[in-house]
Amino acid sequence: SAVISQKPSRDICQRGTSLTIQCQVDSQVTMMFWYRQQPGQSLTLIATANQGSEATYESGFVIDKFPISRPNLTFSTLTVSNMSPEDSSIYLCSLWDGFYTFGSGTRLTVV
Amino acid sequence: EDQVTQSPEALRLQEGESSSLNCSYTVSGLRGLFWYRQDPGKGPEFLFTLYSAGEEKEKERLKATLTKKESFLHITAPKPEDSATYLCAVRHSHASGGSYIPTFGRGTSLIVHP
Repeated sequence: SAVISQKPSRDICQRGTSLTIQCQVDSQVTMMFWYRQQPGQSLTLIATANQGSEATYESGFVIDKFPISRPNLTFSTLTVSNMSPEDSSIYLCSLWDGFYTFGSGTRLTVV
Repeated sequence: EDQVTQSPEALRLQEGESSSLNCSYTVSGLRGLFWYRQDPGKGPEFLFTLYSAGEEKEKERLKATLTKKESFLHITAPKPEDSATYLCAVRHSHASGGSYIPTFGRGTSLIVHP
């Protein structure tokens, strides 16, 4: 199965700034997903990212706040823009490879 | 509305005390039910995929079963190292008619005491 390397593992950011999270996959995959997981909560899908097309965002998430890049079949980034403390969460990338495989997560704290 | 509900939210067991976790779902166009284990500070780790009612999968002390409306994760004689959050997810057709997407339950936090 595919392996995802997700960076950074954690960060503490000032409000109003932006953070870009990267996911590198060791094989080519068509579909990738980005999730947010708040403490004690389930995974909430932010968007689906297919290479070569615009990401599809779920209700409540917009491209201006969470721009996604998918330049090739092994790499994707999620940017959390103009951050506020409410953006503090764990962010996860995932892919479909017969089942869902996840990165190790990015724990973001906005102060 | 597509929903995945897991129960109980939290479960405390003594080592060796067998139990079951439940995942009930109401989605259209089911294309698989998945169980994951998530340790604190880590991404979910894949355990099982179930596709059709009556299907069962086993791995060590874990056994997953599926009916048309729910799935159970049975834990036999658990050990402290089985302590984790167990997540259930279903893959189904998107409401907009697009690609299949997963919907996750909130998880069951399992603590096994020695």
